[in-house]
Amino acid sequence: TQLLEQSPQFLSIQEGENLTVYCNSSSVFSSLQWYRQEPGEGPVLLVTVVTGGEVKKLKRLTFQFGDARKDSSLHITAAQPGDTGLYLCAGRSGNTGKLIFGQGTTLQVKP
Amino acid sequence: GAGVSQSPSNKVTEKGKDVELRCDPISGHTALYWYRQSLGQGLEFLIYFQGNSAPDKSGLPSDRFSAERTGGSVSTLTIQRTQQEDSAVYLCASSPHGQPQHFGDGTRLSIL
Repeated sequence: TQLLEQSPQFLSIQEGENLTVYCNSSSVFSSLQWYRQEPGEGPVLLVTVVTGGEVKKLKRLTFQFGDARKDSSLHITAAQPGDTGLYLCAGRSGNTGKLIFGQGTTLQVKP
Repeated sequence: GAGVSQSPSNKVTEKGKDVELRCDPISGHTALYWYRQSLGQGLEFLIYFQGNSAPDKSGLPSDRFSAERTGGSVSTLTIQRTQQEDSAVYLCASSPHGQPQHFGDGTRLSIL
């Protein structure tokens, strides 16, 4: 069974601080996706990483895929209250469509 | 709108009753997925439809759960003889084959 361990599960920080969320597995994934979810809504895709060692930037968010395609990280620089939400990593195995999700990280950014 | 539509948005029912949850995917998306999410947690895969292929039912937690997809479009997830542990948000997603999934806003199911 493929599992994704996401940490931390909860993070409360002040506006302007930096943070990193980790997603780790013993399994290799063909791609890994990061989603952000707000209360009462479905997850919204932020980024997909495919190549081992790949780094993608989305404004203040930096996503990295591990060289072995087993782990990933999301780094937020100078967090804003608007970044508050549930962040989810999800790995795709081979050519199957289904995603294996981590447990999620609830981020709270205080003004 | 053009997104994934789920209905109802909320459902409260008594233990032991059957429930049906509906998903209208984005037009033209060949793949459709159902997930279950407990409060503040990650998503648990339930079932996956891809075109005319046999569905991947490997995530269904028991034989009380079933799903169908009619005409390659609308899907219905049915839970028979509901139990309190079935309470969760049920999310549907669709995608073109091999492409990122687009999620609906879910059905919040509460079993009394």
